[in-house]
Amino acid sequence: SQKIEQNSEALNIQEGKTATLTCNYTNYSPAYLQWYRQDPGRGPVFLLLIRENEKEKRKERLKVTFDTTLKQSLFHITASQPADSATYLCALEGTDSSYKLIFGSGTRLLVRP
Amino acid sequence: GAVVSQHPSRVICKSGTSVKIECRSLDFQATTMFWYRQFPKKSLMLMATSNEGSKATYEQGVEKDKFLINHASLTLSTLTVTSAHPEDSSFYICSALQAGTYSNQPQHFGDGTRLSIL
Repeated sequence: SQKIEQNSEALNIQEGKTATLTCNYTNYSPAYLQWYRQDPGRGPVFLLLIRENEKEKRKERLKVTFDTTLKQSLFHITASQPADSATYLCALEGTDSSYKLIFGSGTRLLVRP
Repeated sequence: GAVVSQHPSRVICKSGTSVKIECRSLDFQATTMFWYRQFPKKSLMLMATSNEGSKATYEQGVEKDKFLINHASLTLSTLTVTSAHPEDSSFYICSALQAGTYSNQPQHFGDGTRLSIL
């Protein structure tokens, strides 16, 4: 069955450094992948979407890559700030293409001042 | 734009009570809404897909008689947890898709409802 893996351990980095989060998937070839940010007690907020024919997508300090051969997406935050501290979720389209999303368990990022 | 309001944000009630949660799209029409459940430090688990004017589609293992979904208008979907028990305690989150969007568009989420059954 479709499986999405994100590093369950929290990522702890110094302010100003680049944070890199990983999303791996198996048993599926999604046409697109999305990244969301979730703060404690809140709903996820959409950040970026990348399609299978796109290698890289950027938005301000955010960058996402999508390697369909490795079945992996990397999410980068450059010049990280304490306000970037949150849980980041990757999501893939559902296998039945009914607009569903399948979410990874998320990686918690902590940016130290 | 694309704001989704979920109400109430927190509910504490006794076992056996039925609880209704509302999900509203404030500035757009949503033909499709989704209901998720999230346990602490876990991923969002899709419970059901709510389609305006038709019956909801439930994921495997989700009891449709336990979790009643109604999507009577293009801006409102409700989830009713019937005869709630402590094991139903969780964080419930809804999301909405703008009408006319394609499958690769983002979902717009509400801020969730923390349900605690005593």
